[in-house]
Amino acid sequence: NAGVMQNPRHLVRRRGQEARLRCSPMKGHSHVYWYRQLPEEGLKFMVYLQKENIIDESGMPKERFSAEFPKEGPSILRIQQVVRGDSAAYFCASSPPGGSVTQYFGPGTRLTVL
Amino acid sequence: DQQVKQNSPSLSVQEGRISILNCDYTNSMFDYFLWYKKYPAEGPTFLISISSIKDKNEDGRFTVFLNKSAKHLSLHIVPSQPGDSAVYFCAASSGNYGGATNKLIFGTGTLLAVQP
Repeated sequence: NAGVMQNPRHLVRRRGQEARLRCSPMKGHSHVYWYRQLPEEGLKFMVYLQKENIIDESGMPKERFSAEFPKEGPSILRIQQVVRGDSAAYFCASSPPGGSVTQYFGPGTRLTVL
Repeated sequence: DQQVKQNSPSLSVQEGRISILNCDYTNSMFDYFLWYKKYPAEGPTFLISISSIKDKNEDGRFTVFLNKSAKHLSLHIVPSQPGDSAVYFCAASSGNYGGATNKLIFGTGTLLAVQP
């Protein structure tokens, strides 16, 4: 029973490029969450999605960031025109349907912006 | 505004002794609390959780205590083992009873070092 999968594990981008981070939830899970961890800080909530729906995006920066969870395929977190301050670890978590609060995390994608 | 606080950045304990990690929160709407363990370059691993209707939950060597009046929870690990050395995050949610979102609010973590 595979856990939450994220790819790539490491991503290097130059300023102004686009970053695409992918997340496949655990089998049977239909809820996906994205969190960001800046150096020396805790994890910060970004967005909560169910299939084809954004439920809560209160933690997403207003510009350049978007997320989707299509009917088929992984969830995608997209960062356009990256800046150095976007350098962080981005974690995806999933939970099963039915409103479970417990979330299971993937290994993360470490984004470095040069 | 830091709604979940872990005031001890680090803790060192001898192998076999008890580790006690503390967490305070400010939002009275939180109704579910979780502890995660995290190794460097890995994602957080779920350890144990507790609903606000309980004051204690136990799973093997891990016990979580919740004091709602003090808005305080703690994680006890006994006996501590060197493999427990990691960063421990406390997290809280207000989504346990059908809230619109299940987002987790994390503390800043406590680095536990268990000395052999």
